[in-house]
Amino acid sequence: AAGVIQSPRHLIKEKRETATLKCYPIPRHDTVYWYQQGPGQDPQFLISFYEKMQSDKGSIPDRFSAQQFSDYHSELNMSSLELGDSALYFCASSLTGRGYTFGSGTRLTVV
Amino acid sequence: GQQVMQIPQYQHVQEGEDFTTYCNSSTTLSNIQWYKQRPGGHPVFLIQLVKSGEVKKQKRLTFQFGEAKKNSSLHITATQTTDVGTYFCAGLTDSWGKLQFGAGTQVVVTP
Repeated sequence: AAGVIQSPRHLIKEKRETATLKCYPIPRHDTVYWYQQGPGQDPQFLISFYEKMQSDKGSIPDRFSAQQFSDYHSELNMSSLELGDSALYFCASSLTGRGYTFGSGTRLTVV
Repeated sequence: GQQVMQIPQYQHVQEGEDFTTYCNSSTTLSNIQWYKQRPGGHPVFLIQLVKSGEVKKQKRLTFQFGEAKKNSSLHITATQTTDVGTYFCAGLTDSWGKLQFGAGTQVVVTP
């Protein structure tokens, strides 16, 4: 079965650089979510899109932005990177009110 | 805002023993979901509970949703080494909202 695809798997950036993370949700899932997970932490909600429209926003810094495109893939753009942005970034998709399917994540390291 | 609390944070279990992890929400939930994350992996959906007092079983795992829909538990019997990982509960206050994760219970199994 198709899963949620994220790219890249690993990313190393320097402080103040920009990073773009991509997510391809499961076809026909209507909602996409982005989560950030620090070491030993639970996933923290960043932002979600329902049918390509932003539906909810969590603790996402102003330096971050995201969108969902006409082909349903989503991108998380992160600018002016800081050391504290180093984390695992997960994308997940679901049908409304159902269980989420998570991608394998992008491990971002800011040096 | 909504908070989901989960205890214990760590659980060391001898292989073959049983254990339970508990989840409590500060607000009434429309449903609660449970996820398992293996070390270095991504959260994997286990189950969703929707009805007050609901109990669901998956082999050695028993999931329960409280009568007030504010708490839940996961009970694992005859723990195996394959049960190693972090178990997260995650609550939804309505079908359109985002999942709020608990802090997770990290399970270590001793052979």
